[in-house]
Amino acid sequence: NAGVTQTPKFQVLKTGQSMTLQCAQDMNHNSMYWYRQDPGMGLRLIYYSASEGTTDKGEVPNGYNVSRLNKREFSLRLESAAPSQTSVYFCASMLSEGSQEQYFGPGTRLTVL
Amino acid sequence: AQSVSQHNHHVILSEAASLELGCNYSYGGTVNLFWYVQYPGQHLQLLLKYFSGDPLVKGIKGFEAEFIKSKFSFNLRKPSVQWSDTAEYFCAVTPYSSASKIIFGSGTRLSIRP
Repeated sequence: NAGVTQTPKFQVLKTGQSMTLQCAQDMNHNSMYWYRQDPGMGLRLIYYSASEGTTDKGEVPNGYNVSRLNKREFSLRLESAAPSQTSVYFCASMLSEGSQEQYFGPGTRLTVL
Repeated sequence: AQSVSQHNHHVILSEAASLELGCNYSYGGTVNLFWYVQYPGQHLQLLLKYFSGDPLVKGIKGFEAEFIKSKFSFNLRKPSVQWSDTAEYFCAVTPYSSASKIIFGSGTRLSIRP
């Protein structure tokens, strides 16, 4: 099992450009999450999908959109990137909300100039 | 609002020293508690978790944590650290009823001098 995979690993964007971060898991998990990690602020939840077909906002959703394409895949889209979105983005998955243990991907380091 | 505080931002220890990292949370109801570790260049991994029962929980690599409900604390401990424990450590809390509301602390960077 590959676990949780993310692409790309690194990305540099100019202000105003758009891009989609991809996440996939092969553990047949129901719930998937997107976080951003910034120095001194820990991880903050952007969006999550408790199950296929549903998505909900987390703590910092502004400037992002998500798509739960199927049970395996959960993408994060930046429509018009801003320097404030420079961060490391982590995708995570969990079997179900009751299991409470999240498995994380390797992260995507995004720089917006 | 729910929050998790990790007061130690950067801890520097020598090998074989004992470790205690503080974690306090604010939430009035029943919670589940976690410690995650992020080794340099790697993704977060679960170190240990507390759901219920014995408040002293043991995790991987010799780590343990104690849940003290009256103090809203879940401190991480290790009797003797190794250079390979150099990493960032995150405390996290979720209300018992909803994992989607997981709240992470800001993290503690642990540096071990060989």
